[in-house]
Amino acid sequence: GENVEQHPSTLSVQEGDSAVIKCTYSDSASNYFPWYKQELGKRPQLIIDIRSNVGEKKDQRIAVTLNKTAKHFSLHITETQPEDSAVYFCAASIGFQKLVFGTGTRLLVSP
Amino acid sequence: EAGVVQSPRYKIIEKKQPVAFWCNPISGHNTLYWYRQNLGQGPELLIRYENEEAVDDSQLPKDRFSAERLKGVDSTLKIQPAELGDSAVYLCASSDNDRTYEQYFGPGTRLTVT
Repeated sequence: GENVEQHPSTLSVQEGDSAVIKCTYSDSASNYFPWYKQELGKRPQLIIDIRSNVGEKKDQRIAVTLNKTAKHFSLHITETQPEDSAVYFCAASIGFQKLVFGTGTRLLVSP
Repeated sequence: EAGVVQSPRYKIIEKKQPVAFWCNPISGHNTLYWYRQNLGQGPELLIRYENEEAVDDSQLPKDRFSAERLKGVDSTLKIQPAELGDSAVYLCASSDNDRTYEQYFGPGTRLTVT
């Protein structure tokens, strides 16, 4: 089955810096890669996703890149703000519905 | 629109006792998911329903876990008997696959087995 590895497990940055979180997946048939943000004690919420026919997608300060050959994808957050502090999960799926999540990255943005 | 509703939010039980979790998905969402999230880990899929049919229950520990989704709306996940290792957050999610594949998560039920 699919296996998703995520790193780093923790990431501390200063406000205004950029943050990059990387994930690798094992199954080359995976075609959908969402990213979820989970604040402490709250539900995971989708922040951006990308499909395998696209190499990059951007939404304001957030972007995701996908390298199908290497089977890895990354989340980029620019101009980080304290409210970006949360745990971020990547996921991969074959057919959009069976998500396999990574282990999460705890992002801390210091003022 | 109202989000995914789950109850209870917290549950503490002794091992070997039964426990049940309830989920009400977003209105009109035909797909419902149950996940388990262990501390410091990502959610792991337990079961997926398309309307009232369980289409993927390959990761559901069927010796002690059961689920149902009567009438294709609300769903219940049950554990009987509970074990210490079942302590986790149980998340319900739903999606409307006719429009988007985004999964909307509920607030979860935090289960503690003592």
